[in-house]
Amino acid sequence: AQSVTQLDSQVPVFEEAPVELRCNYSSSVSVYLFWYVQYPNQGLQLLLKYLSGSTLVKGINGFEAEFNKSQTSFHLRKPSVHISDTAEYFCAVRFSGGYNKLIFGAGTRLAVHP
Amino acid sequence: EPEVTQTPSHQVTQMGQEVILRCVPISNHLYFYWYRQILGQKVEFLVSFYNNEISEKSEIFDDQFSVERPDGSNFTLKIRSTKLEDSAMYFCASEPRGQPQETQYFGPGTRLLVL
Repeated sequence: AQSVTQLDSQVPVFEEAPVELRCNYSSSVSVYLFWYVQYPNQGLQLLLKYLSGSTLVKGINGFEAEFNKSQTSFHLRKPSVHISDTAEYFCAVRFSGGYNKLIFGAGTRLAVHP
Repeated sequence: EPEVTQTPSHQVTQMGQEVILRCVPISNHLYFYWYRQILGQKVEFLVSFYNNEISEKSEIFDDQFSVERPDGSNFTLKIRSTKLEDSAMYFCASEPRGQPQETQYFGPGTRLLVL
């Protein structure tokens, strides 16, 4: 069965510190990988996505993620976080072969403290 | 920049009542989706819709749920007889052609509370 696991439900971090939010997936077919962010009382906004090619993907707001096929991971990173990065972050996958739906992880709440 | 809109932003209803959640997808998009997020849980796929037909639905999407595109702009989710466990945030999403490489654009959500 295909699934997405976000290993940390909450990640507290101080402003200007680096952060990594972890995501692992399970699939027997090729996948496309996405990170979405949800700010309080708002919808889901795409941060970045991996489709093919270079395994390091850069997104908006200084975030990047690295696809690791052997470890079936797609971890999100930012070298220096801001207070405004406080939000819920969701990893999601879509599977090749005609499946359109996104399958989401449980989310990681990033709390940036001054 | 075009965006997906949803109305209402909040809805409170009594158990057993019918509710209709409305969405206006981005105008040139062809694929539409509904997802829901129960408080504290992950975002779950409900249904996808293309060419006036359901293309895929989850186990959650039982006979109490229906979707419709009544005109050229709106996309609705109807729950016929709401249950307490239907309380959740409901998100609408759309994308241009339904290709897996594409981005799904999400609306701000409707928070449904069933009492």
